Amino acid sequence: DIQMTQSPSSLSASVGDSVTITCRASQNIATYLNWYRQTLGEAPNLLIYSASTLQTGVSSRFSGSGSGTDFTLTISSLQPDDFATYFCQQSFGTPFTFGPGTTVDIK
Amino acid sequence: EVQLLESGGDLVHPGGSLRLSCAASGFTFNNYAIHWVRQAPGKGLEWVSTIGGGGAHTYYAASVKGRFTISRDNSNNTVFLQMDTLRVEDTALYFCAKDRRQNPVFYGSGTSDDWGQGTLVTVSS
Repeated sequence: DIQMTQSPSSLSASVGDSVTITCRASQNIATYLNWYRQTLGEAPNLLIYSASTLQTGVSSRFSGSGSGTDFTLTISSLQPDDFATYFCQQSFGTPFTFGPGTTVDIK
Repeated sequence: EVQLLESGGDLVHPGGSLRLSCAASGFTFNNYAIHWVRQAPGKGLEWVSTIGGGGAHTYYAASVKGRFTISRDNSNNTVFLQMDTLRVEDTALYFCAKDRRQNPVFYGSGTSDDWGQGTLVTVSS
């Protein structure tokens, strides 16, 4: 199975800051990498798929990059709704493993 | 508007069974794979199972293979997750989600673009 790791596990930031989250796969997954945001008590929300393609309706403040094993999610100008947990997921093949999550909280 | 509504979650004893349902609307149901993803209390996301749009192709996580069975009724736009021999570690909020890409046969893209709000399964003695 492909293992996914994320760093950092948590970070503190202020409204208006930019933050970057890293996701690493245990093997080459090309660009089969998705990013989701989950706020407390809610279902996950797809932000980016295929490593860098913005899901319809998602703010352009979110951007993704990477290929192979190393990927990043950057959020510019943090808004109150962005204080949440972010998960990466590989869709290279089953099982579709998720990373452990990165929690962004208010400094 | 795509809508997914899970039901069937409950408190059950270890070794027991439950059947979860996921009722869908707002899209051509039999063209899309459906995924089940779970989240244990305070934990991360775990992919559980996927069924192709036609229902012939199914996929399972190793942790549930042989105990859970995914199926779908395309005439009623519903996906089911039959959960047998439940364990304490199956306790979680279970989400169903639609695949992002049309593919009436296999698992689509493996990416979930629309999610339900989840149904809670608690396995405890």
